[in-house]
Amino acid sequence: GDSVTQMEGPVTLSEEAFLTINCTYTATGYPSLFWYVQYPGEGLQLLLKATKADDKGSNKGFEATYRKETTSFHLEKGSVQVSDSAVYFCALSPRAGNQFYFGTGTSLTVIP
Amino acid sequence: GAGVSQTPSNKVTEKGKYVELRCDPISGHTALYWYRQSLGQGPEFLIYFQGTGAADDSGLPNDRFFAVRPEGSVSTLKIQRTERGDSAVYLCASRRSGGPDETQYFGPGTRLLVL
Repeated sequence: GDSVTQMEGPVTLSEEAFLTINCTYTATGYPSLFWYVQYPGEGLQLLLKATKADDKGSNKGFEATYRKETTSFHLEKGSVQVSDSAVYFCALSPRAGNQFYFGTGTSLTVIP
Repeated sequence: GAGVSQTPSNKVTEKGKYVELRCDPISGHTALYWYRQSLGQGPEFLIYFQGTGAADDSGLPNDRFFAVRPEGSVSTLKIQRTERGDSAVYLCASRRSGGPDETQYFGPGTRLLVL
């Protein structure tokens, strides 16, 4: 069945470091892919998405490219800030059906 | 406009009791989802509504869980004979019409604790 495998955390980085959080997926056909973020004490928010192969989603300095050949959607940011500390979830929406599949989440802490 | 709202934000109950959790989706969104999120895990799908009908309830863990959406807007998740293992954050999300490219918008969740 469809699923998302996400890099385990927690991840701790110094401010201005480069961030990569790996996400790979298994799906029939060509799903849409999402990154959601959950800041401390808040609900899940969409960070970015990509709906077809080779699309790049971007928002707030974060980027992720939909790679069909490697079934991946890795999240990157060139220079993290303390305010990026949160839990990041990779998610998949299949082309058919209505479910949404989430990874287990990766906790990021950025220290000054 | 207003986002997805959920009430109560916290619920403490005793084992064996009945609870109802409410979700108010974004106005005009026909697709509504319920998820359960345990500590350290991603949201786990429970049930999906398209309009008033439950289009997919394959994620409900057992027959103690039930959800309704009688008028195609507000939804209520009902849990009978609660067990300690039901303790989790219950999330509601809505989508404009349910297409795979569409973003899901999440509510803040209801934190359920079963003692």
